[in-house]
Amino acid sequence: SQQGEEDPQALSIQEGENATMNCSYKTSINNLQWYRQNSGRGLVHLILIRSNEREKHSGRLRVTLDTSKKSSSLLITASRAADTASYFCAFVTGGSQGNLIFGKGTKLSVKP
Amino acid sequence: NAGVTQTPKFQVLKTGQSMTLQCAQDMNHEYMSWYRQDPGMGLRLIHYSVGAGITDQGEVPNGYNVSRSTTEDFPLRLLSAAPSQTSVYFCASSRNRPTYEQYFGPGTRLTVT
Repeated sequence: SQQGEEDPQALSIQEGENATMNCSYKTSINNLQWYRQNSGRGLVHLILIRSNEREKHSGRLRVTLDTSKKSSSLLITASRAADTASYFCAFVTGGSQGNLIFGKGTKLSVKP
Repeated sequence: NAGVTQTPKFQVLKTGQSMTLQCAQDMNHEYMSWYRQDPGMGLRLIHYSVGAGITDQGEVPNGYNVSRSTTEDFPLRLLSAAPSQTSVYFCASSRNRPTYEQYFGPGTRLTVT
């Protein structure tokens, strides 16, 4: 399977702390995206990083990409209770016919 | 814009029954896709379409059919429901292949008994 692996599977932190989630993949990618899913809802796109980029920021989010290690990380700074959700990485590979392959997700719980 | 809409929100079927899950988008997106989400499995691609009249299989297509007669609509048909198809189904669209962000619908929770 080409599915990505995310780590940790679950993460529990206090409000104000930083949260870091990691995603690893097995083949070369065209781009990598991060999505958030609140309980019982659809996924919402957070950020896209292309294979020739190393770091990208959006508000309190910072995404890094290390193509040599085939991994990406999502950092949420100064977390809030509203950040409680599942976070998924998804990527496009040469073999996926242009389709997104999703990781299994990290479940983040931010306690007030 | 309504974005991506899905109906119904919930559905219970008996084994062997057929049904159609509806998906529509009003963003004039060329690319549409169907995923299923099972606990601990992430999202898996069922079928996708790169434009009206063009569909193709994803990772887990067995037991499902799709058609794309218009840019806006992309229904998913379950031919003969099985308990293994109990899942949450998401429809998504994007401007083109997922070089761009995908917009997801709210999902349909399907239970097959």
